[in-house]
Amino acid sequence: GQQLNQSPQSMFIQEGEDVSMNCTSSSIFNTWLWYKQDPGEGPVLLIALYKAGELTSNGRLTAQFGITRKDSFLNISASIPSDVGIYFCAGQLGAGGTSYGKLTFGQGTILTVHP
Amino acid sequence: GAVVSQHPSRVICKSGTSVKIECRSLDFQATTMFWYRQFPKKSLMLMATSNEGSKATYEQGVEKDKFLINHASLTLSTLTVTSAHPEDSSFYICSAYRGRRELFFGEGSRLTVL
Repeated sequence: GQQLNQSPQSMFIQEGEDVSMNCTSSSIFNTWLWYKQDPGEGPVLLIALYKAGELTSNGRLTAQFGITRKDSFLNISASIPSDVGIYFCAGQLGAGGTSYGKLTFGQGTILTVHP
Repeated sequence: GAVVSQHPSRVICKSGTSVKIECRSLDFQATTMFWYRQFPKKSLMLMATSNEGSKATYEQGVEKDKFLINHASLTLSTLTVTSAHPEDSSFYICSAYRGRRELFFGEGSRLTVL
């Protein structure tokens, strides 16, 4: 099946630093999504990307849908302690409709922010 | 507030028993819901697609007789882990599709089988 390679696996940074993580795939995806998961909780959507080349921001977060449709990155600027958590990329292959919910997830990036 | 709710959030059971986990869409109807499984510090793996009024569609390698899915109403899907064993211990997460590219995840249910 499809696999998403997400890197880095973990990051330890100081508060105020910028963070970058990315996902690559051997398959083309129609949609790229970035989620954050806190311990013991379900994932929460951060940014959704629908078009190749699309660059989208959500506050201090910026994500891009790679032009080849096989990769995406997420940047977090000026990190704060509450950014701590696990970040997942997810790709969606289907053309739309109910298949939109069938996601392939990356392995996750564990982010630790030191005050 | 949450738009998709799972119950129970935590459950501990004895080996050999069956456990049912509910996934509810709180303020919308969802003809399609999805069940994922997550091991500690690992990715989410899609188990099956739950279709209201019809059989669930299981991903390759997922035992349909082991993980029974019922989507009897437009707001409720249930996952029953039958004859649970310790290796079934995991974090089970559902999601519900509201349409127009809107997908919401539940809070997850942690199953521990002793």
